[in-house]
Amino acid sequence: IVLTQSPATLSLSPGERATLSCRASQSVGSSLMWYQQKPGQAPRLLIYGASNRATGIPARFSGSGSGTDFTLTISSLEPEDFAVYYCQQRNNWYTFGQGTKLEIK
Amino acid sequence: EVQLVESGGGLVQPGGSLRLSCAASGFTFSNDWMGWVRQAPGKGLEWVSNINQGGSERYYVDSVKGRFTISRDNAKNSLSLQMSSLRAEDTAVYYCARWIDSSGAFDYWGQGILVTVSS
Repeated sequence: IVLTQSPATLSLSPGERATLSCRASQSVGSSLMWYQQKPGQAPRLLIYGASNRATGIPARFSGSGSGTDFTLTISSLEPEDFAVYYCQQRNNWYTFGQGTKLEIK
Repeated sequence: EVQLVESGGGLVQPGGSLRLSCAASGFTFSNDWMGWVRQAPGKGLEWVSNINQGGSERYYVDSVKGRFTISRDNAKNSLSLQMSSLRAEDTAVYYCARWIDSSGAFDYWGQGILVTVSS
């Protein structure tokens, strides 16, 4: 299963709303995760099961979707949210999307 | 606090071998699946291998099958990845991660260890 993330780069300002997309080449049901990775750091789990926030993740992060189309929304960007975001599926082995870089405008 | 600490990385020649280790603490290691995920320089994430709680189930991405072996020692809270016949394309930061079977998520990650395959 191939996961395609869009856009590749998203330029926004703090306080704005961010919408990141992940599309699967075939249905993954709700078996979709989102991770955040900052430079030089390991990925951090944000969302599992398409819409469940992981432990300690702020409420401004939310996930939605099922089947082949998924969205990660950050309601109001904080300075620490600028990073690369990856989606991952577990329906057919485990694959990751190529990432969306969220940068400060 | 969950901690995963990788070790054993470094520079190795093509065709060589290397063994990565991951020391786990802060959770009941023997209760959880574990895995390895890698990231080539400037690239995205790639799942490499998973192992179940007792070590009886092991899975690999096609590109490493027959060359890499995942194992664990529950008495020592340790995960390993034995890598052989290494290729330039295996150059990456390798992360040890706890894998949650119910969701398929990697919920805790180590800091990563760099493996460079080059002559």
